[in-house]
Amino acid sequence: GAGVSQSPSNKVTEKGKDVELRCDPISGHTALYWYRQSLGQGLEFLIYFQGNSAPDKSGLPSDRFSAERTGGSVSTLTIQRTQQEDSAVYLCASSPPPGLRETQYFGPGTRLLVL
Amino acid sequence: AQSVTQLDSQVPVFEEAPVELRCNYSSSVSVYLFWYVQYPNQGLQLLLKYLSGSTLVKGINGFEAEFNKSQTSFHLRKPSVHISDTAEYFCAVSALTGGGNKLTFGTGTQLKVEL
Repeated sequence: GAGVSQSPSNKVTEKGKDVELRCDPISGHTALYWYRQSLGQGLEFLIYFQGNSAPDKSGLPSDRFSAERTGGSVSTLTIQRTQQEDSAVYLCASSPPPGLRETQYFGPGTRLLVL
Repeated sequence: AQSVTQLDSQVPVFEEAPVELRCNYSSSVSVYLFWYVQYPNQGLQLLLKYLSGSTLVKGINGFEAEFNKSQTSFHLRKPSVHISDTAEYFCAVSALTGGGNKLTFGTGTQLKVEL
């Protein structure tokens, strides 16, 4: 079946612009996670969704970062007023109910470059 | 909080030789343990996981790992590597926090298999 998909696969933007990154989880997966992979920080957790609510936003690095999930499916990660340090690969993962001990299935990521 | 240490950033090995990638973790609570593999320009793929039960876990592609609670380790092994195993390997832990299963990753080990 279809895996987790992310779009765009690559994004180049200028410093100060806003960007939106999209994640389509596997159908039926209730839990959704965003991670960031960068050279300096490695793989970091950003935010966790259960359904449409986000009980854990502890990894969002600043208030320029926000995310939402609609219909218990698609999620969008928005970065406002992008900075060069936001350059990274943004990974999305989903897991099936009950979403606690289950494997997380990762998408291919969106590679963001802020000039 | 949990943390993961992968001491070896790079491991070169000849094809058909055995390999061990080391992983140590720290946590004040029980954790679940994972190994993921990342091929160039791709997302993360689960190799194996330890949730409970037998401490020797077998995964895909001939990999296995052993959970050692007293040494807080979860080293990954393969008795005979192939060129196609060249990739980056990440050890990760999760604990139930905020209702989610967010992963804390190590910094990764680049496995390079040479002829």
